[in-house]
Amino acid sequence: NAGVTQTPKFRVLKTGQSMTLLCAQDMNHEYMYWYRQDPGMGLRLIHYSVGEGTTAKGEVPDGYNVSRLKKQNFLLGLESAAPSQTSVYFCASSYGGQNSGNTIYFGEGSWLTVV
Amino acid sequence: AQKITQTQPGMFVQEKEAVTLDCTYDTSDPSYGLFWYKQPSSGEMIFLIYQGSYDQQNATEGRYSLNFQKARKSANLVISASQLGDSAMYFCAMRDHQGAQKLVFGQGTRLTINP
Repeated sequence: NAGVTQTPKFRVLKTGQSMTLLCAQDMNHEYMYWYRQDPGMGLRLIHYSVGEGTTAKGEVPDGYNVSRLKKQNFLLGLESAAPSQTSVYFCASSYGGQNSGNTIYFGEGSWLTVV
Repeated sequence: AQKITQTQPGMFVQEKEAVTLDCTYDTSDPSYGLFWYKQPSSGEMIFLIYQGSYDQQNATEGRYSLNFQKARKSANLVISASQLGDSAMYFCAMRDHQGAQKLVFGQGTRLTINP
């Protein structure tokens, strides 16, 4: 997973606290994605971005906000954390358009627990 | 909307046997890609194999092959000569080649290799 870095890797939050997960990629990718994975389930898309300054909602966007002020960074924010947001969060990135091919790179995941 | 279905929550296989993990998909897009990922207990997403919808041949990568049947909308993963290290969660995923090119995941299959 070289090239996509997630920070932090582990975090415990109290209900109502806020935090930001940072995803950074050094491959000049246009497209970036945030997923969450709950126990025993596949990944579900929270938000995504197809370029600097653009963001859009995915399948499960409620309770999250994102920003893509710089092409290499995609931030996922929890304004008021809830226990239901306890999950593993994965960031991914890829080239866009006709250059996307079969390559999509994942970060190593961020384990978030909300108590 | 795209959908991936993996109907086998768990599979148990003897070491050195071949195993087939099932995946069916649904999409209205004419061009798309199909992926298989392995997720060991450590949590990272490991890319295994890719099949493009217009590829004429089934994809192979070492002990992994993808049995692609386009008319039946299935993309089963075949692992030959299974090894103890193959024990993990396996996810099938699909990505359309238009727009945001989001990756959509199935629920996963937990594969256990018995010695």
